Parts: sequence; structure tokens; C-alpha cells
Amino acid sequence: AQSVTQPDIHITVSEGASLELRCNYSYGATPYLFWYVQSPGQGLQLLLKYFSGDTLVQGIKGFEAEFKRSQSSFNLRKPSVHWSDAAEYFCAVGGTKYQAGTALIFGKGTTLSVSS
Amino acid sequence: NAGVTQTPKFRVLKTGQSMTLLCAQDMNHEYMYWYRQDPGMGLRLIHYSVGEGTTAKGEVPDGYNVSRLKKQNFLLGLESAAPSQTSVYFCASSYQGQTRRYEQYFGPGTRLTVT
Repeated sequence: AQSVTQPDIHITVSEGASLELRCNYSYGATPYLFWYVQSPGQGLQLLLKYFSGDTLVQGIKGFEAEFKRSQSSFNLRKPSVHWSDAAEYFCAVGGTKYQAGTALIFGKGTTLSVSS
Repeated sequence: NAGVTQTPKFRVLKTGQSMTLLCAQDMNHEYMYWYRQDPGMGLRLIHYSVGEGTTAKGEVPDGYNVSRLKKQNFLLGLESAAPSQTSVYFCASSYQGQTRRYEQYFGPGTRLTVT
């Protein structure tokens, strides 16, 4: 079954430090992979996506993610975290479970706190 | 462009009451979705629609009904609300197409409490 695992429920990072959020997926074919961010009380905003090609993808707000097929991973990184990055982050895979493969399957999320 | 809008933003219901959540999008998207978000559970798909007049069940459809009478609107109904339906509900929409259908645009959410 298609699934997404985010092993870390909560991470705290010092402002200015680097960040890596982990995401592992289970999917039989070449996956479509996404990272979304949700600020408190807000909807979800797409950070970046991977469909094919270059395995290192750049997103908004200085984020990047690397697709590693051998590890079934799509980890999100940022070289220097800002206090405004504190939010909840969701990894998602484009599933084919439903008609025409339209739905996203989400991980349970990682909450990022930024300390000063 | 307003994008995806949801009405209402907040609502408190008593057990057994009914209500309808409205989602509207002005991007001419073919596909629309309703998700619920619960703490520690991520987002789970309730129902979705691949076009006007069509709807289908997602992962957690029980207790909900939907309708897509107009392309731009997707309604989520709770006929008899239960405390287990206390959640934050998100609507999303996307274009059709091999990859574009996965680029989903989300509304701001509706926070529903059932007492």
C-alpha cells in the first residue's frame, strides 16, 4: 500500500542552523513527491515538488529536497533556518489508489520549532 | 484571483445537527478534494471530484456527503454530526493532467467542533 512516513514528530533547531526533515515513502512506481508547509492556523502551501529528472529540487523560501530512489526518501533541507520557518511540514506522495490517481497521500507531519 | 476559499471558517455544532461546508475556486480547476486534518494524523482524503457532477469516496467518507453541481463549487455535508467529526477541514483543487493534477491548491480551512 502507498504510504508516507515522517519519522520525526517534532524537531527544534537553532536559528541560523541547518535543517533536514526526513520523509520515506512506499510506492511501487516512480513517485510524484511533494513537501507542504502549514503555518499555525493557516492552510497548506506547496514548498516544492518532484516529478522526474534532476533528483535535487529547489523550492520556495530557500528549501530544497533530494529524491533518493535507493533509500525511498525525499528529505527536505535548508542551510540556514529563520524564525519564520517555524511551522508544520508535510511530505506527500501522489497516489494511484483512487480514480485517475488524483489524490495525495500525506505523512503525519513534522513540527519545526526554531530557538533563538 | 481569490484561489480556494472556504465558508465558514469556524463552526460549533451540537451532536446530531447538520451543516454544509462550502468550497469555491476561481482557477477553473477540474479536480476538487475534501480532506480532514486531525492531530498526529496528517491529512486524510474524505471525498473528491474529477469534474462537475461527479464525486467519489476517499479514505474516510463515512458520515459525509458531497456534491459538485457547479465546476467551481464543492460542498461537504454532515447530515448528523458526531464528536468524532471534530476536525479541521481543508478543501483543495487542481488541474487535470498527468502531473498537474497532483499540484493541489488548498483553502484556509474550516475548524469544526462538535459537542
